[in-house]
Amino acid sequence: AQSVTQLDSQVPVFEEAPVELRCNYSSSVSVYLFWYVQYPNQGLQLLLKYLSGSTLVESINGFEAEFNKSQTSFHLRKPSVHISDTAEYFCAVSEDNAGNMLTFGGGTRLMVKP
Amino acid sequence: EPEVTQTPSHQVTQMGQEVILRCVPISNHLYFYWYRQILGQKVEFLVSFYNNEISEKSEIFDDQFSVERPDGSNFTLKIRSTKLEDSAMYFCASSGDDRQAFFGQGTRLTVV
Repeated sequence: AQSVTQLDSQVPVFEEAPVELRCNYSSSVSVYLFWYVQYPNQGLQLLLKYLSGSTLVESINGFEAEFNKSQTSFHLRKPSVHISDTAEYFCAVSEDNAGNMLTFGGGTRLMVKP
Repeated sequence: EPEVTQTPSHQVTQMGQEVILRCVPISNHLYFYWYRQILGQKVEFLVSFYNNEISEKSEIFDDQFSVERPDGSNFTLKIRSTKLEDSAMYFCASSGDDRQAFFGQGTRLTVV
């Protein structure tokens, strides 16, 4: 069975600084990987996904994540954060043989300070 | 942009009462899901629904829970006899064949 670990529950960072939110997973089969963002009092929005192909995937608002199979990781990065990036970020995994069910990590609260 | 719609946004119910949470998935999607997030905890999978039947369910989804797609557009989650520990944010989601799940805004269920 798959599991997802987000090592940092909270990441405080100053505006315009770079940030990395870590995500590791465990699975014995091929996986699909996702990052979702949850702004205060809102639902989950897909930020980016890895299904196949290039291991580096990007979002429209400057985030990127790299699938590293050997390290079973899918860390999320942004070179320069904005106040508006303050939110909860969830890493999620779907196994190839488990339908479309998502297993979520515990979430990382990104707090961008001015 | 198409979106998943959930109603109500917040429901308060007494312990032992039945509740029905409603969702309107994206119209051309074929897979439907319910997840829940207890305050301060992970988002947890409850159930997936495809071709008018449950395709997967978690241990959380016991006999107190049921899902239905009554009219081809709505997708509902029913909890027959609510318990205090059912208090959580419940998210509905839908997807097509591309595994990209779109989530609704959630229904916050408070059992008192």
